[in-house]
Amino acid sequence: SAVISQKPSRDICQRGTSLTIQCQVDSQVTMMFWYRQQPGQSLTLIATANQGSEATYESGFVIDKFPISRPNLTFSTLTVSNMSPEDSSIYLCSVVEQGEEKLFFGSGTQLSVL
Amino acid sequence: GENVEQHPSTLSVQEGDSAVIKCTYSDSASNYFPWYKQELGKGPQLIIDIRSNVGEKKDQRIAVTLNKTAKHFSLHITETQPEDSAVYFCAATYSSASKIIFGSGTRLSIRP
Repeated sequence: SAVISQKPSRDICQRGTSLTIQCQVDSQVTMMFWYRQQPGQSLTLIATANQGSEATYESGFVIDKFPISRPNLTFSTLTVSNMSPEDSSIYLCSVVEQGEEKLFFGSGTQLSVL
Repeated sequence: GENVEQHPSTLSVQEGDSAVIKCTYSDSASNYFPWYKQELGKGPQLIIDIRSNVGEKKDQRIAVTLNKTAKHFSLHITETQPEDSAVYFCAATYSSASKIIFGSGTRLSIRP
């Protein structure tokens, strides 16, 4: 399966600031997604990162709060804007490889907002 | 839309015994059912999956069964080992990976 590198692995941020998370894949993938996992909870899809166009957001998530870029087939960023303590979660990049219909996850970014 | 329920939320078994985690889904159109294992501080890892044209699939100590009529699927881990301790998530989808719905997770602990 593709190797998914996510940076940073963890961060502690002050409220009101923004953090950009990077996701790099070592092979071309058809689909890239961003998930949120709140403490002790399951996985919630934030948005689908579309190459060269605006991301497709799920209900409850908006572009102003979670801007996403995907300039090419192997790289995407998620920004968590104007953070509050409620944004403290694990943020996960995930991909579907070309020719597969299987979802693979990166190692995640543990975000704590003070 | 699809809804996936997972039980139990926590499970503790003696090392060497078997563990079973059960999930039910609501959308009869779902046709792909992956299972993920998440260790502390790591992202979820795909450990096994099954499609609706198959009733059972096995990979070494791990097996998954699917009952389409009852809309149930289960994960079976035999001869459990300490490294099996993790949170396990079931999931279901009918259209594509973008529509995967996850269960609430089961925290499995293996007692020495």
